[in-house]
Amino acid sequence: ETGVTQTPRHLVMGMTNKKSLKCEQHLGHNAMYWYKQSAKKPLELMFVYNFKEQTENNSVPSRFSPECPNSSHLFLHLHTLQPEDSALYLCASSQKTNTGELFFGEGSRLTVL
Amino acid sequence: GESVGLHLPTLSVQEGDNSIINCAYSNSASDYFIWYKQESGKGPQFIIDIRSNMDKRQGQRVTVLLNKTVKHLSLQIAATQPGDSAVYFCVYGQNFVFGPGTRLSVLP
Repeated sequence: ETGVTQTPRHLVMGMTNKKSLKCEQHLGHNAMYWYKQSAKKPLELMFVYNFKEQTENNSVPSRFSPECPNSSHLFLHLHTLQPEDSALYLCASSQKTNTGELFFGEGSRLTVL
Repeated sequence: GESVGLHLPTLSVQEGDNSIINCAYSNSASDYFIWYKQESGKGPQFIIDIRSNMDKRQGQRVTVLLNKTVKHLSLQIAATQPGDSAVYFCVYGQNFVFGPGTRLSVLP
């Protein structure tokens, strides 16, 4: 148990669907991250939030829309995705950005049909 | 067409032997390095970290070595166990850039 919970663990959606991934951390951390892990590429950083403010958007397409209502919760809203977006989406948190260890959730496995 | 998976370097070691996993990094300005372990079906897990003012750091059964001259990082695992089988990532730089990973397979 890492203290970072992701739901759902598995999600199948069509290209016209709208869905959301949720991440919650119970560690009192101030920074939260979304990473994408696919069979074709190593872990790719998508977004970074520090004290609820987005500090990094790693050229992610607008069909992925993050939301961080508070330091404990992070969402990834999905809309009109493509089959190549099928991947494992990992959420992580850390006490602060750029230093310290990241605590990862177990990921949400997304399949886009 | 058929999708092509990421071909990770693989290290196979006998149970009980020592393992050495290597990582070359490109950003000479990096001052903080971390090793993560990812078991099948799980998110990555922190193993050990090291700052650039150190050459070596030891943990429980693990040692990280940093050679800034050649921009090389290594993770040594002593007395490798079946539970050590996983993909190992070195992480460095701003916003924790993950390397491609090395798969460690422990043979019985």
